[in-house]
Amino acid sequence: DTEVTQTPKHLVMGMTNKKSLKCEQHMGHRAMYWYKQKAKKPPELMFVYSYEKLSINESVPSRFSPECPNSSLLNLHLHALQPEDSALYLCASSQVPPELGANYGYTFGSGTRLTVV
Amino acid sequence: KNEVEQSPQNLTAQEGEFITINCSYSVGISALHWLQQHPGGGIVSLFMLSSGKKKHGRLIATINIQEKHSSLHITASHPRDSAVYICAVKTRDDKIIFGKGTRLHILP
Repeated sequence: DTEVTQTPKHLVMGMTNKKSLKCEQHMGHRAMYWYKQKAKKPPELMFVYSYEKLSINESVPSRFSPECPNSSLLNLHLHALQPEDSALYLCASSQVPPELGANYGYTFGSGTRLTVV
Repeated sequence: KNEVEQSPQNLTAQEGEFITINCSYSVGISALHWLQQHPGGGIVSLFMLSSGKKKHGRLIATINIQEKHSSLHITASHPRDSAVYICAVKTRDDKIIFGKGTRLHILP
């Protein structure tokens, strides 16, 4: 298995809803990442988990709450989002640190397209 | 000025042409990545470089650490190569900085 699987692929939620995004990989990668990407912009790093511990939080608002329950799973819990939070949310994983000898340092999921109404 | 600059921003070419996309950066890095993103989102990691040159199929990536510059080349381009190509650098404190991407369109 060489994939990062993200679910759901699409999500529409109201500003008072609570929802979660899920990311799963079975490649033995011990670093997992959440990115947010607005249309026609590069991805922006949100969180990094290394060995299931939060290592980087890029000053993300508390309405986004990450969780890494085990080495294969990464969740992003969403609560009281704003319409401007609508974006593509990408998950990625890598070895810790990414092996410089390999061609493929990071594996990305296909993303969850989130719309907040 | 962005820490990672890509050029060109947009590129349209005919099928079969040799394509070059450039990336310059101004920070100290531990590695540089070339990524491919198709419409609708999914990102594929093409290369990770810390020195020299790598080749995979019709794709070639080079990096010059002294000049802080990398290039991605596509030989015998094909319409299925149409995508956004993103240069991203991994800094020495483990952050990733993305370029704004190059939107490539290959005409049949």
